[in-house]
Formats: sequence, structure tokens, C-alpha cells
Amino acid sequence: RKEVEQDPGPFNVPEGATVAFNCTYSNSASQSFFWYRQDCRKEPKLLMSVYSSGNEDGRFTAQLNRASQYISLLIRDSKLSDSATYLCVVNLNYGQNFVFGPGTRLSVLP
Amino acid sequence: GAGVSQSPSNKVTEKGKDVELRCDPISGHTALYWYRQSLGQGLEFLIYFQGNSAPDKSGLPSDRFSAERTGGSVSTLTIQRTQQEDSAVYLCASSFGTGKGNTIYFGEGSWLTVV
Repeated sequence: RKEVEQDPGPFNVPEGATVAFNCTYSNSASQSFFWYRQDCRKEPKLLMSVYSSGNEDGRFTAQLNRASQYISLLIRDSKLSDSATYLCVVNLNYGQNFVFGPGTRLSVLP
Repeated sequence: GAGVSQSPSNKVTEKGKDVELRCDPISGHTALYWYRQSLGQGLEFLIYFQGNSAPDKSGLPSDRFSAERTGGSVSTLTIQRTQQEDSAVYLCASSFGTGKGNTIYFGEGSWLTVV
């Protein structure tokens, strides 16, 4: 089993739609969780950290379920500019590298 | 600089030549990472440096790949006897190190094409 798995995608949604991405991780000792966004031919950039209690940043909501080892990202009122690949990232907090999921590509259509 | 700086941004090289890619991390960041991403693929971890500790080289794909980090700051990734399958973008990233909430920041990458 891969350390971090994500919905295979791609997701093609109309503008204004709500879309949810799922991510699971295999190591129960994982401590830190993030969503990154990567535009075509660009570097990944931090979208938001994911906290145990869940957190929201504008149209974006992240949830963490430690018992199920599951992370989600919800995007409301999708914009054309949300089109990108969304990467789920897990860190074990003992100094090793950040583990990236394969990403889920989103295309928001006019 | 304010962000992670990488050079060159683009490199075209002939098969069999050696290449060096440079990364200058964010000032104060003790951890430095190299990743590779082939077109349309996910990130592939290569190597990780943390302070003065021995680097984690577990992701290097072959002995043609090596990296060093001098003075705990700038890092150089060297690929010897390049092959066409080495064509990819090489992404460097840095972070403060360990600790909950620690996040990783990427440079814009070095795009390598082996012809």
C-alpha cells in the first residue's frame, strides 16, 4: 500500500460547483498534514495546513480524521482559477521528508 | 532571497554529459530536499539534508546521482553520464526542519532535457 493515496481524478466540474478530494495515509504516526496546489509546469505551493479540528480558509475547507487516517479538501463555488492538481502531503514529524500523494487534477469548466 | 532559488532554470544536455543543479534555500531553513518530477507524474523524493546530520539518500535512483550541501546552506545535485530518462524537472525545497506545523517551500525547479 502506498504511503499516501488520493482520488485518481481528473475531476471536471462546472464553475460554481462544490468538489471534494479525499486522501488516505498509511502511517498512523503521521503528525502534520497539508494540502498543496500545483499548477501546470509550476512548483507545488502550500494551499493550507490541516488541523485536527478541521479548518476553513475562504472557499476551502480541510478535514482530518485520525482514526480513519483520512484527510479531505472541500472547495465551494469553484472558480476557473482553481484548476490545478491538488496534492495531499503528510509529515511524520521525526525529521524525514514530507510524503506527497500522487495528486488529483481538477479542471473547472466555464 | 525571499524564496528557494534554483539554477539553472532550464538545461539541455547531451546524453552522457554530467550536469550540476544548484539550490539556495530560504535563509534560516535547516532542512533541504530534492525531488524529481517527470512530465505528468507525481513527485519523486531524491534526497534530504537536515542540519549537520547525514543526509537521507534513500531516494536517489542510481549511483549516477549525488548531492552535497556545503556549509549547511547551498546544495548541488549532480547527475553523471546523463540518460534520456533523467529528463524531468528537479525541484528543491526547504523547511525549518522538524516540528509540528513545519511546512515545506519549493523553488521553481530546474528543467532538465537530455537529448
